[in-house]
Amino acid sequence: GAVVSQHPSWVICKSGTSVKIECRSLDFQATTMFWYRQFPKQSLMLMATSNEGSKATYEQGVEKDKFLINHASLTLSTLTVTSAHPEDSSFYICSARDSPYSYNEQFFGPGTRLTVL
Amino acid sequence: DAKTTQPNSMESNEEEPVHLPCNHSTISGTDYIHWYRQLPSQGPEYVIHGLTSNVNNRMASLAIAEDRKSSTLILHRATLRDAAVYYCILRPQNQGGKLIFGQGTELSVKP
Repeated sequence: GAVVSQHPSWVICKSGTSVKIECRSLDFQATTMFWYRQFPKQSLMLMATSNEGSKATYEQGVEKDKFLINHASLTLSTLTVTSAHPEDSSFYICSARDSPYSYNEQFFGPGTRLTVL
Repeated sequence: DAKTTQPNSMESNEEEPVHLPCNHSTISGTDYIHWYRQLPSQGPEYVIHGLTSNVNNRMASLAIAEDRKSSTLILHRATLRDAAVYYCILRPQNQGGKLIFGQGTELSVKP
């Protein structure tokens, strides 16, 4: 099956700094990528949908100036958490689709655990 | 978004079949039923999906009620590696493929 990678797998940063998380589709072109976050013992919450070459669409309640998403190529999307604070500590997961017309599976990355001190 | 309801947790014995139920009484005619599972500290993994007819693949079977208001994911022989949170998700055709996760069912498998 198709593979999605994330880098880094975990990161610890100081409060007030910015952190960039990369999501790559390794063996397919991802027309659409999605970003989720997950707090301990909770379900995944969709943050935004990212289409290559266009601005991301954020879900209600997600601050677009705090969570910057860039989908500059068909194999790479990045999520930057700006001015991170301890409440941003979470498990961030991306997923990708290989076709805008596909109603089949999404391929998920392994996740990035962010800890803000 | 149409909502799904699943039991919080279920237990199974190894090598026995497992039936994971999902209610989705507000499903619309164009919603696909998707199942994903998530092992601890990993990203979710696709299991199966369907629209109206029952579906089988190498991982599981999906039984969809005739009125589509409920479905059941069937693992034919549970293994310890099947212990995970299983999510039943309705995916509309016209929303760019996004998935809205509910709380899921945490499946534990006893040896």
